[in-house]
Amino acid sequence: QSALTQPPSASGSPGQSVTLSCSGTSSDVGGYNFVSWYQQHPGKVPKLLIYDVNKRPSGVPDRFSGSKSGNTASLTVSGLQVEDEADYYCCSYAGSYSVFGTGTRVTVL
Amino acid sequence: EVQLVESGGGLVQPGGSLRLSCAASGFTVSSYWMHWVRQAPGKGLVWVSCIKSDGRSTDYADSVKGRFTISRDNAKNTLYLQMNSLTTEDAAVYYCTRGGGGLDVWGQGITVTVSS
Repeated sequence: QSALTQPPSASGSPGQSVTLSCSGTSSDVGGYNFVSWYQQHPGKVPKLLIYDVNKRPSGVPDRFSGSKSGNTASLTVSGLQVEDEADYYCCSYAGSYSVFGTGTRVTVL
Repeated sequence: EVQLVESGGGLVQPGGSLRLSCAASGFTVSSYWMHWVRQAPGKGLVWVSCIKSDGRSTDYADSVKGRFTISRDNAKNTLYLQMNSLTTEDAAVYYCTRGGGGLDVWGQGITVTVSS
């Protein structure tokens, strides 16, 4: 049950796009289309951004998009905004358990 | 309004036990997979356990297997996490969450401190 691998940090200027990766194995990310992404601001509760690889819950801006290729999932934030500065976590179903990624801190320059 | 409210956290000595509760409103816990997720201070999110909508199937992270038990009371619309043999590694904020296409509803979190 190893955590999914995410880069510790990413950054971009307002208006730019940033893509976050989430690397797993064929037993988790690669084996199921049940990857989700969460945004967490400091001291706040995580918020669901993307589920089932590329679906957006109502209320989540379409600036957030998800995809998957093989054992790696990605979250793209387009048109970066100041309020997007936060920690981002991926999560995958793995059959008999679920597993989160290590998290990426996004800084808006 | 769909809401989850955790309770039961606090300070416990190593080796001790604690039971967390998560009261749901606005939806029926028995209709969803319900999960517990924890976050140690300054650390990332860690999945802990889930109970499936059938109420019989449960899963656990290896780190808590054999020590934690997830359950629910349909009449009270409440989720529980019984935590035994606690260690300092279990100290964290514990969130209960609803699995409805991703983890779409989260409680505010409850703090568990393990210290002598």
